[in-house]
Amino acid sequence: GQQVQQSPSSLVLQEGENAELQCNFSSTATQLQWFYQSPGGSLVSLLSNPSGTKHTGRLTSTTVTKERRSSLHISSSQTTDSGTYLCARSSGSWQLIFGSGTQLTVMP
Amino acid sequence: GALVYQYPRRTICKSGTSMRMECQAVGFQATSVAWYRQSPQKTFELIALSTVNSAIKYEQNFTQEKFPISHPNLSFSSMTVLNAYLEDRGLYLCGAKTGGAYTQYFGPGTRLLVL
Repeated sequence: GQQVQQSPSSLVLQEGENAELQCNFSSTATQLQWFYQSPGGSLVSLLSNPSGTKHTGRLTSTTVTKERRSSLHISSSQTTDSGTYLCARSSGSWQLIFGSGTQLTVMP
Repeated sequence: GALVYQYPRRTICKSGTSMRMECQAVGFQATSVAWYRQSPQKTFELIALSTVNSAIKYEQNFTQEKFPISHPNLSFSSMTVLNAYLEDRGLYLCGAKTGGAYTQYFGPGTRLLVL
């Protein structure tokens, strides 16, 4: 089965609203990363958060290792936040297993 | 800081021809390099893991005969898509890291279109 599941698969917001993205993984992760993929395809690493809570700018990630889940909260969304948000985990070896992503659209 | 560059950013090749893509690490030693592919409407899947001076490990459904990889030093890796066909379309991503570190650095990807 799929080792990394993300929800929702797509999300449409009005500018200024907050977004909550979820990531569930099937086995304990030693590394958990959130990525942003622009509409053009380029990948940007947002946060590396194997456990606990991390903040960067308008982004907050909370990972509960025992429950094998992580969330990404985007506050005060902007139209430029539109794109695909990918969660990826690894355990033991270092190659990442990616989820299918959440496609975020922020309307003006 | 640590950066990963990929060349070319976008390329088109005719069906049945081959395409070589490059990955360059700057600011850190790329002891290990992973190549991923994102096919249209799909997420990223691992093609192979390469550690300098060691054998390259390919994932199921990917072979050295189809995707030969070179990793000659701590700053450079290349991968060729041999005999490309429509199903090889997608975004090819290079991720690199140093030794036992967890942090991986990713390039922007090479987008391959096959006509």
